[in-house]
Amino acid sequence: AQKVTQAQTEISVVEKEDVTLDCVYETRDTTYYLFWYKQPPSGELVFLIRRNSFDEQNEISGRYSWNFQKSTSSFNFTITASQVVDSAVYFCALSAFSSGSARQLTFGSGTQLTVLP
Amino acid sequence: SAVISQKPSRDICQRGTSLTIQCQVDSQVTMMFWYRQQPGQSLTLIATANQGSEATYESGFVIDKFPISRPNLTFSTLTVSNMSPEDSSIYLCSVQRDRATDTQYFGPGTRLTVL
Repeated sequence: AQKVTQAQTEISVVEKEDVTLDCVYETRDTTYYLFWYKQPPSGELVFLIRRNSFDEQNEISGRYSWNFQKSTSSFNFTITASQVVDSAVYFCALSAFSSGSARQLTFGSGTQLTVLP
Repeated sequence: SAVISQKPSRDICQRGTSLTIQCQVDSQVTMMFWYRQQPGQSLTLIATANQGSEATYESGFVIDKFPISRPNLTFSTLTVSNMSPEDSSIYLCSVQRDRATDTQYFGPGTRLTVL
């Protein structure tokens, strides 16, 4: 079975601070995908990134960066110079080949990020 | 990505009634999914809807309560039947365009409040 843990329920930072959202996953599969989604107050889930299990290179996209470490089963997300518009719930998710034919996503419980002006 | 729309965007319903939520995609997709997100909670998969076959329901969800239709490759409906206040949630549909990557793209969600 797959499991995704986001231990941080809520984080509050002041604008321009850097913030890291933690994600730890469990799977017995050697091939899997990891995802981050953003859910702003409007409710829509916005896809941010996908990383496959064979690619441990860190990725940077503007103010966003992701650190994937298989040794610790972690896929952490850092926002640099946070902005008020970054305020949202962020979900980490996992899909693995043993999930079944549909390879459904297993979501973490989410981290509510509040960026204060 | 994909352009996904849902109708209605929100509704307030009376206990015991039913609501049908529509999900429309801008292009053909094989895999569509329906999720429930209860207040302050994460997403829980209700069922997977493939065109031309019966929906596959997850543990804890049954067809009588959440009937799903998938008449073609761009459209699906989820009905929440005989509603109770516990059904108050955001209901989201998602699509998987590329099965090789498992990425799911989500619709804007339907906020349901049951009185």
